[in-house]
Amino acid sequence: GAVVSQHPSWVICKSGTSVKIECRSLDFQATTMFWYRQFPKQSLMLMATSNEGSKATYEQGVEKDKFLINHASLTLSTLTVTSAHPEDSSFYICSLGSGLETQYFGPGTRLLVL
Amino acid sequence: LAKTTQPISMDSYEGQEVNITCSHNNIATNDYITWYQQFPSQGPRFIIQGYKTKVTNEVASLFIPADRKSSTLSLPRVSLSDTAVYYCLVGDRNNDMRFGAGTRLTVKP
Repeated sequence: GAVVSQHPSWVICKSGTSVKIECRSLDFQATTMFWYRQFPKQSLMLMATSNEGSKATYEQGVEKDKFLINHASLTLSTLTVTSAHPEDSSFYICSLGSGLETQYFGPGTRLLVL
Repeated sequence: LAKTTQPISMDSYEGQEVNITCSHNNIATNDYITWYQQFPSQGPRFIIQGYKTKVTNEVASLFIPADRKSSTLSLPRVSLSDTAVYYCLVGDRNNDMRFGAGTRLTVKP
């Protein structure tokens, strides 16, 4: 299956700063990637669909101005958490699936906002 | 997208067979059934996918009745390392996946 990487694997930042998370498809050109967020002991929640060369589609309740998504190439999508606050602390996971028989998920990025 | 219902948790012992059933009454004609496994602080990992009847791979089997309104993931002879959360998802291939609550499986020695 496809290999997906995320960077960084974990990050700690101060409240009010911005954090960028990268999601890379190492062996597949993905026109679509998905971003999820997962709080402790909870399931994954879809945040947005990242489309190569166009604007991302956000789920209801997800602030597009706070969670900036850029999908500039077929192998890279980035999620920037702007002006992060402690409540944004979570596990962020990306996935790709377009053209594949199923979705493949990245290893996740743990964000801790102090 | 079809909603899924799974047991919140299950306990088992090493060496036993574990069957986790998922209900998806509103499954659509084009929908596939996919199961994922997730360990703490890791992304979900694909286990198995099927459309109807039975599918088997090196790690699990998936049983789907004719009406497709449910499915059962079967894990043969589980070990401690199979302790994880298992998610059943239903939808078109390549569409965004909406996760249900999942089933937390605990395998005991």
